[in-house]
Amino acid sequence: AQSVTQPDIHITVSEGASLELRCNYSYGATPYLFWYVQSPGQGLQLLLKYFSGDTLVQGIKGFEAEFKRSQSSFNLRKPSVHWSDAAEYFCAVAINQAGTALIFGKGTTLSVSS
Amino acid sequence: GAVVSQHPSRVICKSGTSVKIECRSLDFQATTMFWYRQFPKQSLMLMATSNEGSKATYEQGVEKDKFLINHASLTLSTLTVTSAHPEDSSFYICSARERPLPEAFFGQGTRLTVV
Repeated sequence: AQSVTQPDIHITVSEGASLELRCNYSYGATPYLFWYVQSPGQGLQLLLKYFSGDTLVQGIKGFEAEFKRSQSSFNLRKPSVHWSDAAEYFCAVAINQAGTALIFGKGTTLSVSS
Repeated sequence: GAVVSQHPSRVICKSGTSVKIECRSLDFQATTMFWYRQFPKQSLMLMATSNEGSKATYEQGVEKDKFLINHASLTLSTLTVTSAHPEDSSFYICSARERPLPEAFFGQGTRLTVV
């Protein structure tokens, strides 16, 4: 069965420091890959997505992610974290069936210290 | 990106009553909509999938008679929590996809409190 693993439940980063959130997936082929961010009491906002092509994708708010097929990973990065980046981050995959729901990881809570 | 509007954002209802949550796609045709439930500090739990004009497909363990889902048009899906109980209190989020695109767009969520 397909699955998404986010190994880090909670990460604390100093403001201005770099960030990497890990995501691994289990699927026989290359799925469609997404990162979403959720602020408290809000819905999910799409940060970036990977469908094909260049394995380094740029998203909103200065985030980027790199798809590594050999590692079945899609890690999210940001060079310099801002206090407003504190939120819950979810990695998700969609398999090649347009009518199916996304499969989510359990999420990583990002705290930003000053 | 595409916009999904979910209403209301918060609702408080008395135990035993029903409450309806609406999910609208504002600028695209939502051929498929999904309803999730999220417990505090947890990931999203898929409740059901609905395709326009068809009956919803519920995930195992989700009561069809308690959580009524209607997807009558390409821009609107509703979730009705019937005979609500305090344990139904949760954060409910809808999501929509436009076939054949794989990405999903999410509503703002609804905080339901049953007293």
